[in-house]
Amino acid sequence: KAGVTQTPRYLIKTRGQQVTLSCSPISGHRSVSWYQQTPGQGLQFLFEYFSETQRNKGNFPGRFSGRQFSNSRSEMNVSTLELGDSALYLCASSPTFDRGNQPQHFGDGTRLSIL
Amino acid sequence: QKEVEQNSGPLSVPEGAIASLNCTYSDRGSQSFFWYRQYSGKSPELIMFIYSNGDKEDGRFTAQLNKASQYVSLLIRDSQPSDSATYLCAVNKRTGTASKLTFGTGTRLQVTL
Repeated sequence: KAGVTQTPRYLIKTRGQQVTLSCSPISGHRSVSWYQQTPGQGLQFLFEYFSETQRNKGNFPGRFSGRQFSNSRSEMNVSTLELGDSALYLCASSPTFDRGNQPQHFGDGTRLSIL
Repeated sequence: QKEVEQNSGPLSVPEGAIASLNCTYSDRGSQSFFWYRQYSGKSPELIMFIYSNGDKEDGRFTAQLNKASQYVSLLIRDSQPSDSATYLCAVNKRTGTASKLTFGTGTRLQVTL
């Protein structure tokens, strides 16, 4: 069974640009969550999507947005990039949003560098 | 107070010893608890999850949960150099149709020869 696939793996952008990251969940998984990981802050929750609806959102500015498609694939968009947005962006999927016994599995991440 | 707290380490244990990793959480409504292992430059990998008080064993790993004390731990028996990594504790709370997983900042484990 294929795992969570994130593209691209690496990305270099400059301040002010925007970026779109893609995530394909494990087949059959309908919940997709996005996280930002930085050395100083650790893993920070961005948002979660289930059935094309955002179910939960973390404490990030409106420049961070996402969406989910009918095939459960998800995209995350960051507009007006700032230097502080340099991070590893991780996508995780699970069968549903009920994680009592359905843990999330992570993709390899997209490493975003802002110059 | 952080929602999920872990000692950043490094925790250094000799090969073959038991490594004990600890995590405390602040929200008593938290329902399920996860341990992930993350090697440098890699993404987190699920090791175990637990949602009932007590112990849960899987091979060399044992997760322990004490909801009254808001404490969850991971024991690694017969530690190997390949266990050297950062271990992330994650706590899940579901409210209606929303679910939020909160991570600690991780404990770095070093297994020495």
